Amino acid sequence: AQTVTQSQPEMSVQEAETVTLSCTYDTSESDYYLFWYKQPPSRQMILVIRQEAYKQQNATENRFSVNFQKAAKSFSLKISDSQLGDAAMYFCAYRRGETSGSRLTFGEGTQLTVNP
Amino acid sequence: DGGITQSPKYLFRKEGQNVTLSCEQNLNHDAMYWYRQDPGQGLRLIYYSQIVNDFQKGDIAEGYSVSREKKESFPLTVTSAQKNPTAFYLCASMPYSPSGNTIYFGEGSWLTVV
Repeated sequence: AQTVTQSQPEMSVQEAETVTLSCTYDTSESDYYLFWYKQPPSRQMILVIRQEAYKQQNATENRFSVNFQKAAKSFSLKISDSQLGDAAMYFCAYRRGETSGSRLTFGEGTQLTVNP
Repeated sequence: DGGITQSPKYLFRKEGQNVTLSCEQNLNHDAMYWYRQDPGQGLRLIYYSQIVNDFQKGDIAEGYSVSREKKESFPLTVTSAQKNPTAFYLCASMPYSPSGNTIYFGEGSWLTVV
């Protein structure tokens, strides 16, 4: 079974600084997708960024980027120029690369605090 | 507007009662999911469905039941057999595509046993 591990229950960063959230996963599959979701206090799950395992290039979405190390099974999220609105719980997630019905497996989450 | 609608937002249940959480999507997505989230924890999969009239158990299906009679609807029943049902419940859906489409979530439902 696939597992996703986030080893940092809590992280904090100063506003405008950069922070990196860690995620490792375990799988025997070669085709899969990795995601970072943000969950603010409203509890709405918001997709931050997505990475396809077959792509060597790291995904980037504005201030958010990932460092995808396939051999090491590592998928960290870097948030640049942190803003107060970035404060939330962040979840790393894994999905097998099959068609409809593939389940999403989540890590335990990292609570990010942004200090003004 | 297209999206996933969960209702009710807040629900209180007496011990021994069954309750049903509604999940409706108008995105024409094929797959639908139910996740449970306990305070300070990640999401755990209860049930999922790939097509109408078919569904599979997730990691914590005991004490829950689902149905998928229509493509747009995937209600979750929390039965009296679920010993600790107080939690936040999230419904999600995903379209059928070989390109690895993203799973989208509803706004969730809070269930409290009183």
